[in-house]
Formats: sequence, C-alpha cells, structure tokens
Amino acid sequence: NAGVTQTPKFQVLKTGQSMTLQCAQDMNHEYMSWYRQDPGMGLRLIHYSVGAGITDQGEVPNGYNVSRSTTEDFPLRLLSAAPSQTSVYFCASSYKGGVTEAFFGQGTRLTVV
Amino acid sequence: TQLLEQSPQFLSIQEGENLTVYCNSSSVFSSLQWYRQEPGEGPVLLVTVVTGGEVKKLKRLTFQFGDARKDSSLHITAAQPGDTGLYLCAGQANAGGTSYGKLTFGQGTILTVHP
Repeated sequence: NAGVTQTPKFQVLKTGQSMTLQCAQDMNHEYMSWYRQDPGMGLRLIHYSVGAGITDQGEVPNGYNVSRSTTEDFPLRLLSAAPSQTSVYFCASSYKGGVTEAFFGQGTRLTVV
Repeated sequence: TQLLEQSPQFLSIQEGENLTVYCNSSSVFSSLQWYRQEPGEGPVLLVTVVTGGEVKKLKRLTFQFGDARKDSSLHITAAQPGDTGLYLCAGQANAGGTSYGKLTFGQGTILTVHP
C-alpha cells in the first residue's frame, strides 16, 4: 500500500518563485490537510479539505493556495516563495468521522533562498 | 486558537531509565493523540485517548488523558535506544460533531536514549 505520497522530497527555490507540492493518497480518505513543521513549533495546519471541491484555511494559510478536484489529490501551491516559508511540509489524510487516525506522507523539505 | 504546551522539549537519558512527557492546554479536547516521528519520515500514530481519566498501555508506554480532557502524559518505563525519536501530542476538537481531520500539535519532545 502506498498510503500518502508526497513529491518532491527536497526542493530549493529562489525568493519569488512559485511551485506546487504534490500530495496523493490511495486510501479513499475524505479528509486531507497540509501542515508545516518548524523547529520547536510542532506541526501547524496550513489548509485542509473535507472532500473534493471543499477546502478551508488552517492556522497559517497566508502565502499558500490549495484545491481539491479529486478525492485522491490535494496539491499545495506557493504563490511567491519567501524565506519564511523554508520548512518541512507534511500532507495528511484521514477517514471522515469523530476520532480518526491521521496518515502522513514522508514530507517535503523546502528551502527558499 | 487552541494551544498545546508540551514539555520537556529535549530529553536525554540512559537506557533503563523512566521518563514522562507532558502535554497541557487551557482548552478542552474531544480526544488526544500521541505520535512518534523518525528523522525523514512523517508522524505515526501511537495511541488515541478519548475519555477523561483514560489510561492506555502499549508495552512499556503508558498514556493518560486528564480528567478534564485538557492534558495528557506519556510515560515510558525502562527506556531503550529504540525509543529515540520525536514524540508529538495532538488534540482534536469537535466542531459540530467532527474535527474535520484537523489536529492541534504540541511543540514536540526530542527523546534520546543512550545505550
């Protein structure tokens, strides 16, 4: 089972460049979300989706866009990269329900120079 | 905004010692989860506690949810080098009956167990 797949694993961007982080899951999960992980700050929610066509903002959404055209895919777009967006990004998915386990991808380490 | 304060941030101990990690909040959570993360990997779920006062044991790991569902602890007995990793607590809060998969994470505890 592939689970949650993120690409790329590493990326270096110049300030002002744009890019899309890819996330795909093969578990037919309704819920998907994006987090960023910074030292000493745990994981912080960027955007989330409760199903195809439905997205909403999390705790730190500025500078990021998302869309969910299919159940399987939830790409995260950086519109104009800034050094403050240097981080490790994790995509997660889970079943719809009251208390569910979140399954995480392996992460994308992004450096903005 | 709900916050989870996790402590300590770093823990370095010898093999065989016991340790406790704490996760505290001023907010009530419907459930509390503990994840473990290895370098270069995403977090992996260890346990979910949902009832105030609940205690769950997973081999040498004991998890407790506070009576008021605002805090939790992870206790490891006789730590082993294989326990080394980043431990994260995460809270889920119901909004109209579901958390929509959203998690609020603590800052994490980096545990190093020396042989």
